[in-house]
Amino acid sequence: AQTVTQSQPEMSVQEAETVTLSCTYDTSESDYYLFWYKQPPSRQMILVIRQEAYKQQNATENRFSVNFQKAAKSFSLKISDSQLGDAAMYFCAYRRRDGSEKLVFGKGTKLTVNP
Amino acid sequence: EAGVAQSPRYKIIEKRQSVAFWCNPISGHATLYWYQQILGQGPKLLIQFQNNGVVDDSQLPKDRFSAERLKGVDSTLKIQPAKLEDSAVYLCASSQLTSGRYEQYFGPGTRLTVT
Repeated sequence: AQTVTQSQPEMSVQEAETVTLSCTYDTSESDYYLFWYKQPPSRQMILVIRQEAYKQQNATENRFSVNFQKAAKSFSLKISDSQLGDAAMYFCAYRRRDGSEKLVFGKGTKLTVNP
Repeated sequence: EAGVAQSPRYKIIEKRQSVAFWCNPISGHATLYWYQQILGQGPKLLIQFQNNGVVDDSQLPKDRFSAERLKGVDSTLKIQPAKLEDSAVYLCASSQLTSGRYEQYFGPGTRLTVT
C-alpha cells in the first residue's frame, strides 16, 4: 500500500522569506501523480501544485515550486517570498496515474508566517 | 463556476444518534468523493462514486456508514449510530472524471462533533 509521510508537523517562516516543506512517499508504481494541497483555517482545501512522475522537470506555480526526486521518493514544496496568506495546513498527496485509485494524504504540515 | 457545496457546516450530536450530510458537486463532474478528516490527520477516502455507481468503498465502515448518489448528482452520507470516534470533518470533493489527471475540487466540509 502506498504511504505518504510528512515529517514536519509545524514550520514557521518570516514574511518574504523562503520555506521548504518535506514529503516522502512509498510506492511500487512507476507512474503516478504527486500533489500539494493547502487548507487554510476553516476554509476549503485547494490544490497548490501537481507533479507527474514521468516528467523530470519540476513543477512550478508562481511562488510555489517542487523538488521531485523520484529515486529517493521525495517531493518537497518550496514557497518563495512567503506571504501572510500562505499560512495554512499543507498536505502532500499521492495518486496512481490510471484507474480509480484514491488520493493518499500525509498528515500535514502547519505553516505559520510571521510578519 | 460554483464550487462544491456542503451542508450543514457544523453538527453536534450525541453518540448513538444518527446524522446525514449533503453534498452538491460542481456541475458536470461525474466523480464524487467523501473523505473523513480526523483532527491532526490528512483526509481519508470513505467512498468514491462515478456517476451514481460506487467505485471504491473499501474504507467505509459499512456497519454504520452509508452513502448514496441518486441521479448521479447530489450525494448524502449517513452515520447511524454515531460513535465518539466519528468526530471529524467530512469533506466532499468532485472531479470531471476518475483519472488522476483530473483535479479534485473540495467543498468546505462538515465538522461533526459526537459527544
